[in-house]
Amino acid sequence: GAVVSQHPSRVICKSGTSVKIECRSLDFQATTMFWYRQFPKKSLMLMATSNEGSKATYEQGVEKDKFLINHASLTLSTLTVTSAHPEDSSFYICSARQGAAYNSPLHFGNGTRLTVT
Amino acid sequence: AQSVTQLGSHVSVSEGALVLLRCNYSSSVPPYLFWYVQYPNQGLQLLLKYTSAATLVKGINGFEAEFKKSETSFHLTKPSAHMRDAAEYFCAVSGSEKLVFGKGTKLTVNP
Repeated sequence: GAVVSQHPSRVICKSGTSVKIECRSLDFQATTMFWYRQFPKKSLMLMATSNEGSKATYEQGVEKDKFLINHASLTLSTLTVTSAHPEDSSFYICSARQGAAYNSPLHFGNGTRLTVT
Repeated sequence: AQSVTQLGSHVSVSEGALVLLRCNYSSSVPPYLFWYVQYPNQGLQLLLKYTSAATLVKGINGFEAEFKKSETSFHLTKPSAHMRDAAEYFCAVSGSEKLVFGKGTKLTVNP
C-alpha cells in the first residue's frame, strides 16, 4: 500500500531555533500534500495545503512566515517551524493524496512530536 | 462547505461486544466519507471510505460503515471488539480538495 514517511518522529529544540520536518511519499507521486497540527485530545487542525511547484495555501490563522512549507518535488514536502517557541510544541502530521480526485484517500505519515524548550 | 460531528468523545465497550461509533456529516456537495484510526503517537490509518458506490462499506480489521443520506450519517461498526481496537477514531468528509475531520472518538475496550 501507499506509504508516507515523515521524519523526524521526535525532535526537541531550544526556543528561537528552527526545525525542519520532511514528508515523503515512498511509492507514489503526490501532487498535493497536507500539513496538520494535533493538540492533545484534539482533532487534526489543517495548517496548509501544499501543491508541488507552487506556493502553499495556508488556513486562516496559520502564520505562513512562521510555518514555511516547500513542496519541491512530487514525493517531498517540508515544513519548517521558524524561530520556534514553546507554544509551537505539538504533534505535526503530514499527509499525501494518492491521485488527483477528491475521493482519493489521504495517506498519513507517523507524525513528528515537536517539543520546544 | 463540509463538516463532521462525531457523537461521543469516548466510547467504552467490553471485549467481544458490538462497536458503534457515530458520525454525522454536513456537505453542500455529494460527500466522500472516510474513517481513520490513530494509535498513540502515530499518524492516521485509513479504515474505509465511501465514494458514492455501495452504501455499505467494508474496511480493514473487520470494520464497516453504512452511508445513510437521509440521516446524513456514516456510522462505524464492528460486530465484536478486540483489545487491539482500542484507539482514536476519526470520521472525515471531503467534497473538495480538503479533508475535514471530526473531533475524534476514543474507543476503550475492556477485558
